[in-house]
Amino acid sequence: AQSVSQHNHHVILSEAASLELGCNYSYGGTVNLFWYVQYPGQHLQLLLKYFSGDPLVKGIKGFEAEFIKSKFSFNLRKPSVQWSDTAEYFCAVNARTNAGKSTFGDGTTLTVKP
Amino acid sequence: GAGVSQSPSNKVTEKGKDVELRCDPISGHTALYWYRQSLGQGLEFLIYFQGNSAPDKSGLPSDRFSAERTGGSVSTLTIQRTQQEDSAVYLCASSSASGGPETQYFGPGTRLLVL
Repeated sequence: AQSVSQHNHHVILSEAASLELGCNYSYGGTVNLFWYVQYPGQHLQLLLKYFSGDPLVKGIKGFEAEFIKSKFSFNLRKPSVQWSDTAEYFCAVNARTNAGKSTFGDGTTLTVKP
Repeated sequence: GAGVSQSPSNKVTEKGKDVELRCDPISGHTALYWYRQSLGQGLEFLIYFQGNSAPDKSGLPSDRFSAERTGGSVSTLTIQRTQQEDSAVYLCASSSASGGPETQYFGPGTRLLVL
């Protein structure tokens, strides 16, 4: 069975601070990895995803994530956060052999102070 | 174009009653997913439909939960004899292909409260 662990439940930053949200997964096979974001009052939406190729992937709004296979990690980063990045962030994984079944982490709430 | 829609947006019911939650996926999307999000927790996979294939029901928590997808489009999640622990936000998503790296597009969810 696959599982996803997000290390931080709530992160509070000031504007212009750098962000790194941790995500580790547990699964022995090949995976697809995702970060989704839910802004206040909005639907969950895709931030970025990795399935092959360059392990450093770039998403919308200046976010990026790096897949480190040896560490089973897919951490999300942004060099300088803005107040508008305040949201809940979810890491998700699905296995190539059962790609319809995604496992999500518990989410990290990011609060950016203006 | 229109996104994924769900109805009702909120549902309050009494313990023991049955409820039906509806999902209208994005037109043309062949894959449809149901998730449950309890307070302070992540999304819990419930069921996945892909085209005409048999659905993956492995996430349904009990036999009180069932779902169907008619005509490859609209889906209904039914919870029979609701319990208080069924209270959660039920999210539906759709994608253009069979899961994998395809992006899932989420609806606004149905917030279910069982009294």
